[in-house]
Amino acid sequence: EVQLVESGGGLVQPGGSLRLSCAASGFTFSSFWMSWVRQAPGKGLEWVANIKQDGSEKYYVDSVKGRFTISRDNAKNSLYLQMNSLRAEDTAVYYCARGTAVGGYFFEYWGQGTLVTVSS
Amino acid sequence: QSVLTQPPSASGTPGQRVTISCSGSSSNIGSKTVNWYQQVPGTAPKLLIYINNQRPSGVPDRFSGSKSGTSASLAISGLQSEDEADYYCAAWDDSLKGVVFGGGTKLTVL
Repeated sequence: EVQLVESGGGLVQPGGSLRLSCAASGFTFSSFWMSWVRQAPGKGLEWVANIKQDGSEKYYVDSVKGRFTISRDNAKNSLYLQMNSLRAEDTAVYYCARGTAVGGYFFEYWGQGTLVTVSS
Repeated sequence: QSVLTQPPSASGTPGQRVTISCSGSSSNIGSKTVNWYQQVPGTAPKLLIYINNQRPSGVPDRFSGSKSGTSASLAISGLQSEDEADYYCAAWDDSLKGVVFGGGTKLTVL
């Protein structure tokens, strides 16, 4: 059974940093693209970042470029999102998702999410 | 303002057929496949339709997807109360080099 478990969310002040983690199990982690998708309170879904199987390709939504870094450790079956210079508008539930890049890109499995709140 | 456009709401009675539209452009739906996600409030999203019209294992065949040009549609037949949820379309965008979502459609089963 595929499982994705996020952790690391919490309350942080504007300008602060946070590192999210996603522990993957039930599949060969190193064989799949991985992603972060977020959802602000009461709002829709927003893709944040993708990373290729070996980490050689990374893509980000414009609003987080230069501030967020996606990374992975295939030996630990783990995905990360380093978030710096956080802003109030980054407040959201952050979901880890397993991706498939066929004809485009889709998120096949999702974690339960971790809440990040940016507030003073 | 979302890159993909969906109606904010849709509704139907049990047993009815409802459709949800998703409009995009040549850089996303027009050249890439469309995927649909279902999100019951308070839970994580779930893949409902992928590559335009494919259903993951476990998704009832009451759900179907289609695509034509720069638009796509999700159809739900034999509407059931448990179908009440938010539905999102999404696609890769070649210009933005990322995944774009529709704003979501809240489906109410009357």
